[in-house]
Amino acid sequence: DAGVTQSPTHLIKTRGQQVTLRCSPKSGHDTVSWYQQALGQGPQFIFQYYEEEERQRGNFPDRFSGHQFPNYSSELNVNALLLGDSALYLCASSLRTGQSGTEAFFGQGTRLTVV
Amino acid sequence: TQLLEQSPQFLSIQEGENLTVYCNSSSVFSSLQWYRQEPGEGPVLLVTVVTGGEVKKLKRLTFQFGDARKDSSLHITAAQPGDTGLYLCAGSPNAGGTSYGKLTFGQGTILTVHP
Repeated sequence: DAGVTQSPTHLIKTRGQQVTLRCSPKSGHDTVSWYQQALGQGPQFIFQYYEEEERQRGNFPDRFSGHQFPNYSSELNVNALLLGDSALYLCASSLRTGQSGTEAFFGQGTRLTVV
Repeated sequence: TQLLEQSPQFLSIQEGENLTVYCNSSSVFSSLQWYRQEPGEGPVLLVTVVTGGEVKKLKRLTFQFGDARKDSSLHITAAQPGDTGLYLCAGSPNAGGTSYGKLTFGQGTILTVHP
């Protein structure tokens, strides 16, 4: 049973460019959330996708957008990259059962460096 | 906005010592999760606590959820070098709320266990 997989693992981009990160959720999961983790900090929630729609959004600008496909996989897009966007981007998958206590399982992350 | 304060931020101890990490909030969470993260990797789920006052044990690790579901602690007995890593607590808001499914993370505790 494959866990959460993310690609690529590392990425170097130039300021002003655009980037797309990809995530395949754990088998059986239908919800994908994206987090940004700066060095030495806890992850910060970017947004969550369920049924191909953005359901929750954190305090991130519109430069951050996403998409979820019918097979539950997801993409995170960041436009007009800034140096401050350099971070580990984590994808978490979960099952939206409607009950409290949402357990999230994380991928290994994509390390984005903006130069 | 729900916030989680984690303490201490850094912990450096000798093998065999005991330690406790605290996670506190003024908000009520429907559940709280503890993760361990190694450099360059995604967080790995250790435990989920759901019921106020709940205590869960995972080998040498003991997790407790506060009676009011606003705080939690992680206690490690006889720490080993393999316990070294970043420990993160994450809270899930009440089901049915507008933020359902969004995890709020503490800033993490960097634990180093010296042989």
